[in-house]
Amino acid sequence: NAGVTQTPKFQVLKTGQSMTLQCAQDMNHNSMYWYRQDPGMGLRLIYYSASEGTTDKGEVPNGYNVSRLNKREFSLRLESAAPSQTSVYFCASSDTTGTPHNEQFFGPGTRLTVL
Amino acid sequence: AQSVTQLGSHVSVSEGALVLLRCNYSSSVPPYLFWYVQYPNQGLQLLLKYTTGATLVKGINGFEAEFKKSETSFHLTKPSAHMSDAAEYFCAVSDSSNTGKLIFGQGTTLQVKP
Repeated sequence: NAGVTQTPKFQVLKTGQSMTLQCAQDMNHNSMYWYRQDPGMGLRLIYYSASEGTTDKGEVPNGYNVSRLNKREFSLRLESAAPSQTSVYFCASSDTTGTPHNEQFFGPGTRLTVL
Repeated sequence: AQSVTQLGSHVSVSEGALVLLRCNYSSSVPPYLFWYVQYPNQGLQLLLKYTTGATLVKGINGFEAEFKKSETSFHLTKPSAHMSDAAEYFCAVSDSSNTGKLIFGQGTTLQVKP
């Protein structure tokens, strides 16, 4: 089991460029999440998906879009990158079918720099 | 609305000393509380969680935390620090919407000195 995988691991963009961060999990989890981590601010939820075909905004959704392609994959897209989106991005997944309070499993992260 | 406050962004202890990382929460419903650890350049992994029942929760690597409702606290402790415990630690509370969303504290970086 690979768990939660993310690609790419590192990315440098210029302001205004677009890109998609990929996330996949092989644990058959129904829920998936995208967070950003900034120094001194912990992790903040960008978007989440409780099941295939559904997505909802989190705390900081502006400037991002997501797609839950299937049960395994949950992608995050930056349409027009801004320097304020320089951050480390984490994808996570969880089995919330029986209870919403199960452990979340995290990927290794994508370090994004926007110049 | 739920919130989490971690007191102290950096904590430094000597190897073998007690580790105490502080977490206070605010919740409008009975809280579900978590501690996660992040080693350098890695994702987060679960240390322990409190759902219901016993208020003293034991986790991996010798860590434990006690849920104190009267103090709205969920402090993380370990009797004797190891060099390998150096990492960033996050306290989190489940969102009241029952969707599995987590609200994280700001994080505390633990330094262990030889």
